[in-house]
Amino acid sequence: GEDVEQSLFLSVREGDSSVINCTYTDSSSTYLYWYKQEPGAGLQLLTYIFSNMDMKQDQRLTVLLNKKDKHLSLRIADTQTGDSAIYFCAEGDNYGQNFVFGPGTRLSVLP
Amino acid sequence: ETGVTQSPTHLIKTRGQQVTLRCSSQSGHNTVSWYQQALGQGPQFIFQYYREEENGRGNFPPRFSGLQFPNYSSELNVNALELDDSALYLCASSLDDRKLFFGSGTQLSVL
Repeated sequence: GEDVEQSLFLSVREGDSSVINCTYTDSSSTYLYWYKQEPGAGLQLLTYIFSNMDMKQDQRLTVLLNKKDKHLSLRIADTQTGDSAIYFCAEGDNYGQNFVFGPGTRLSVLP
Repeated sequence: ETGVTQSPTHLIKTRGQQVTLRCSSQSGHNTVSWYQQALGQGPQFIFQYYREEENGRGNFPPRFSGLQFPNYSSELNVNALELDDSALYLCASSLDDRKLFFGSGTQLSVL
């Protein structure tokens, strides 16, 4: 079945760049997503990339997709303390069903 | 704010009881999905409703059931609660564009 893996923890200094990595197994995934979850809250859609793209930039966020290696990354430039949260990678099929989420990467931003 | 609201925010039940969780989707969104997020894990897909019909289901037993209403609200019902059902239950709505917008969730504790 589909599987999405992420490293569980990442710690960076305020102002540095953060890079969160994800690998997935389903080569038929049409869309790949990054969601952010703050304590006690639901998931907030940060950005997504269509599988025929290899890069997408949105302000401080850069998503890189290596479809051959089934590797997705999220780079956050100039990381701020407000970026401290859990970041989930997810893959979705062409029907918008059954999003498969990774276990989440807890990002800690140190002052 | 995603415009998706869930109630109640917290709930305590005992094993064997039944529970109903409620969700109000973002206005105009014709698709609602329910996810279960156990502590320290990513969300897992329970099922999806499109125009009041179930059109996709994850690996959850039949005691997990749902309803979607014409006014964009929906329910998740769980019968014969088990201890392992303790989790955060997330509702997400979407509008055919494969982007999920999540509510803040209902934290269910089964004792």
